[in-house]
Amino acid sequence: DAGVTQSPTHLIKTRGQQVTLRCSPKSGHDTVSWYQQALGQGPQFIFQYYEEEERQRGNFPDRFSGHQYPNYSSELNVNALLLGDSALYLCASSLVRKRAVEIEAFFGQGTRLTVV
Amino acid sequence: AQSVTQPDIHITVSEGASLELRCNYSYGATPYLFWYVQSPGQGLQLLLKYFSGDTLVQGIKGFEAEFKRSQSSFNLRKPSVHWSDAAEYFCAVTSTSGTYKYIFGTGTRLKVLA
Repeated sequence: DAGVTQSPTHLIKTRGQQVTLRCSPKSGHDTVSWYQQALGQGPQFIFQYYEEEERQRGNFPDRFSGHQYPNYSSELNVNALLLGDSALYLCASSLVRKRAVEIEAFFGQGTRLTVV
Repeated sequence: AQSVTQPDIHITVSEGASLELRCNYSYGATPYLFWYVQSPGQGLQLLLKYFSGDTLVQGIKGFEAEFKRSQSSFNLRKPSVHWSDAAEYFCAVTSTSGTYKYIFGTGTRLKVLA
């Protein structure tokens, strides 16, 4: 079991550019959440995708958008990058069952985004 | 507002000494509770979790945590720390219904002296 995989591991972008980060969930998981972890801080919830729809969103601007594909993989897109977007972006996958919820999340290694 | 507080930003202990990391939460109802560990440049690894039942939960790597409802606390403990335990530790909570977004504390960085 490969667990949660994220790509790329590191990325450097210039202010104003756009970036796409990718996540493959743990085998059997159907829900993907994205978190931003700034240096010295705890992860902050960006949004969550289930059944290819965004079902909950944290306090992030519309510059942050996402997508989930039929195979449950997900992308995080950030437009008009700011210096303050520099952070570790973590993807977490979990499983929502019909009758019970497996809410334990498994995290990937993250993508380190540096905006210069 | 929902929040998680980890009052100790840095903790230093000697190898073999006991460890307690504090976590307090503010939430509308008793949430699900977690402790994660993060090594430098790495993702988060789950140490243990509390959903219900016995308030003392055992986790991996010899860690345990005690849920105290009256104090809104979920402190992490280890009786004897190993040098490999040096890392950052995060306490997190999530709702028992519906949302499943995690709210994390700001973390406690553990340094272990040989």
